[in-house]
Amino acid sequence: DTAVSQTPKYLVTQMGNDKSIKCEQNLGHDTMYWYKQDSKKFLKIMFSYNNKELIINETVPNRFSPKSPDKAHLNLHINSLELGDSAVYFCASSQDLRRLSPNRETQYFGPGTRLLVL
Amino acid sequence: AQKVTQAQTEISVVEKEDVTLDCVYETRDTTYYLFWYKQPPSGELVFLIRRNSFDEQNEISGRYSWNFQKSTSSFNFTITASQVVDSAVYFCALSEARTSGTYKYIFGTGTRLKVLA
Repeated sequence: DTAVSQTPKYLVTQMGNDKSIKCEQNLGHDTMYWYKQDSKKFLKIMFSYNNKELIINETVPNRFSPKSPDKAHLNLHINSLELGDSAVYFCASSQDLRRLSPNRETQYFGPGTRLLVL
Repeated sequence: AQKVTQAQTEISVVEKEDVTLDCVYETRDTTYYLFWYKQPPSGELVFLIRRNSFDEQNEISGRYSWNFQKSTSSFNFTITASQVVDSAVYFCALSEARTSGTYKYIFGTGTRLKVLA
């Protein structure tokens, strides 16, 4: 009964490869996010989708492409991986702010995917 | 611009001591939300509390308490009688609302708390 799940949990790969991280939420939320946590623990948003529509796209290289097949899933595909992409990637979800839901401002995070690029 | 400052990078206390983690924020929004999350050594992000800008009442939950003061733009977190299991990185976050029904969090840089037995 995991709320926000991510696969894989760990990902070790070579520079130049292409990889994907999957995220699923079973909370019935409309909005999903990707955050990156660097080696200094700094957390920064990358993308958000609301009902499969891209809403937030921070300054992220074009090599990163999110895909939302439905509102319960938000996957992150990374092309031509670089050493600097090594980080922990967190998926999160929340209810649409426009809904009358008591906890709609709260984001619930997945367990994180630890990516190491060699 | 929105900003969250957690000036304490790392704090070490001995078990049973009280400890306060500071959080100062900047925003031009009149309606906003503040959050605290805990990241234990296992790495997940655990939601602790949400506070909206119109509610300045302090909150207590067991050994945890939060002090929200709009006048000083602070949202401090106190752990009473700390325990080793409280050892973690604690993040303060500010929500930045968007008109599209979504928003993003602005996170502070985190405070690493070490509770020594």
